[in-house]
Amino acid sequence: GNSVTQMEGPVTLSEEAFLTINCTYTATGYPSLFWYVQYPGEGLQLLLKATKADDKGSNKGFEATYRKETTSFHLEKGSVQVSDSAVYFCALRRGGYSTLTFGKGTMLLVSP
Amino acid sequence: EAGVTQFPSHSVIEKGQTVTLRCDPISGHDNLYWYRRVMGKEIKFLLHFVKESKQDESGMPNNRFLAERTGGTYSTLKVQPAELEDSGVYFCASSRGLAGGGNEQFFGPGTRLTVL
Repeated sequence: GNSVTQMEGPVTLSEEAFLTINCTYTATGYPSLFWYVQYPGEGLQLLLKATKADDKGSNKGFEATYRKETTSFHLEKGSVQVSDSAVYFCALRRGGYSTLTFGKGTMLLVSP
Repeated sequence: EAGVTQFPSHSVIEKGQTVTLRCDPISGHDNLYWYRRVMGKEIKFLLHFVKESKQDESGMPNNRFLAERTGGTYSTLKVQPAELEDSGVYFCASSRGLAGGGNEQFFGPGTRLTVL
């Protein structure tokens, strides 16, 4: 079946540090890949996505590249801010289907 | 445009009681999804409505859960009777289009359910 594995948190960083949150997946076919973010007290928001191999999704300084050979979609940001503190979820959606399969989420805490 | 809203934001009930969660999707969105996150686990799909019809309910854990979407607008998710393992955060999401696939899902803030 489909599954998403992402690194355990919390990830604790100082402001302006480099961020990597690892995500790997297992899926049949050619899934689309997503990163969602949940800020405190809010719903999940789509952060970025990639729909085919070697695509790079980017938004708000975050990036992730769809790597089919390593079945990975790692989230990176060059310089985190306190306002980036949130829970980040990696997810996939199989082609032709609409439901999302999520990882467990990784909490990011950024201190000034 | 208002986002997806969910009511209540929190609910604490005793084991054996009944709870009804409500989701109001974004106006005009035909697709409505329910997901659940149990503490420390993945967010898992429960079911998918297209308008008032259940397109996929493969994620519903058992027959204590009943989802409805009368008139294809808001949806309710009833848990009766509630068990301890039902505790978690229930998310609702909606998206445009009849087919569902490929359209961004917009999520609500979730309802945190605690069963004591």
